[in-house]
Amino acid sequence: AQSVAQPEDQVNVAEGNPLTVKCTYSVSGNPYLFWYVQYPNRGLQFLLKYITGDNLVKGSYGFEAEFNKSQTSFHLKKPSALVSDSALYFCAVRDIGGLDSNYQLIWGAGTKLIIKP
Amino acid sequence: DGGITQSPKYLFRKEGQNVTLSCEQNLNHDAMYWYRQDPGQGLRLIYYSQIVNDFQKGDIAEGYSVSREKKESFPLTVTSAQKNPTAFYLCASSSGADTGELFFGEGSRLTVL
Repeated sequence: AQSVAQPEDQVNVAEGNPLTVKCTYSVSGNPYLFWYVQYPNRGLQFLLKYITGDNLVKGSYGFEAEFNKSQTSFHLKKPSALVSDSALYFCAVRDIGGLDSNYQLIWGAGTKLIIKP
Repeated sequence: DGGITQSPKYLFRKEGQNVTLSCEQNLNHDAMYWYRQDPGQGLRLIYYSQIVNDFQKGDIAEGYSVSREKKESFPLTVTSAQKNPTAFYLCASSSGADTGELFFGEGSRLTVL
């Protein structure tokens, strides 16, 4: 069965320090991987995705994510955190499609990122 | 501006009442989705529609119903059969069912009194 794990409920980082939000996945075949961000009482916003190609993917607001096939991970990173990065971050995975696929995303439980001034 | 509009933002319901949440998009997207979000859990798919006049059940469809009579509209009805309806409901759309890149509305928070 396909699944996504975000092992940390909360990550605390000081402003200006690098941040990492972890995500591991389990999917048959090659995955499509996504990161979304949610600010309080708002909808989710797309940050970035990995489909194929370069393992380092760059996205919105200075975020990037590294795909590691051997570790089945897709960690979200940013070199220098801002207080405004504080939000809830979701990792999601989808299979590559085909006859047995409904093309729907499987979502992690979310990680709350807190950036302290 | 293009986007997805959900209404109402906050809704209170008495037990035993049906309630309908509105979702309208002007992005000309074919696919639309309804998710439920509860604290500490990821998003759970209620229903999705890949094309007008067609929709499929998601993982937690029991107690919910939808319609897709127009491309831009995908209303969700929370029926009295839904035993635990208090939650944050999110509507989303995408240009196709296979993109994975979803555009979300601002959400509707339903509270059952």
